[in-house]
Amino acid sequence: GQQLNQSPQSMFIQEGEDVSMNCTSSSIFNTWLWYKQDPGEGPVLLIALYKAGELTSNGRLTAQFGITRKDSFLNISASIPSDVGIYFCAGTEYTGTASKLTFGTGTRLQVTL
Amino acid sequence: ETGVTQTPRHLVMGMTNKKSLKCEQHLGHNAMYWYKQSAKKPLELMFVYNFKEQTENNSVPSRFSPECPNSSHLFLHLHTLQPEDSALYLCASSQDSSEYTDTQYFGPGTRLTVL
Repeated sequence: GQQLNQSPQSMFIQEGEDVSMNCTSSSIFNTWLWYKQDPGEGPVLLIALYKAGELTSNGRLTAQFGITRKDSFLNISASIPSDVGIYFCAGTEYTGTASKLTFGTGTRLQVTL
Repeated sequence: ETGVTQTPRHLVMGMTNKKSLKCEQHLGHNAMYWYKQSAKKPLELMFVYNFKEQTENNSVPSRFSPECPNSSHLFLHLHTLQPEDSALYLCASSQDSSEYTDTQYFGPGTRLTVL
């Protein structure tokens, strides 16, 4: 099946800094999704990307769907303590009868004051 | 209630117990999913239901038994589990899993511990 390589695995940054993380795959995805997961909670959808080349913002978050449809990045500007958590990229592929979602391995973000 | 809700949030059970996890979605979606999330492993898809019909069983052991009585409710019945089944069990829903671009929304999860 598809594999998503997500990097970096973890980041330690200071409050106010910008953050960038990305995902790459060996194959093409139809959509790219970015989720954030807090400890003991389910993933919360941050941004959904549906078209190659699409650049979408949600507050301090910006994500792009790569033009090759094999990669995506997520940027967080001016990080704050509540940005702490694990960020997952996810891509959907269409099998002909159903959409299947594949998750990356996650980027753990720590923000220091 | 909004979004996707799951009960209970935490469950501790012995290997001989029978318990059930419940998921309810308030988004008007037609597809529901069960995932397992173990420590340091990617999310594993377990089951998919679309319009109440099971469309995927990802080689899940029979000690996990799903039930989808309608498009808003999904259950996971558990019996004779093993300690390695301890994990966070996540429910998700989407508009229609047969759509070309379909987006899933997750519940808060049930933290299951099997003693």
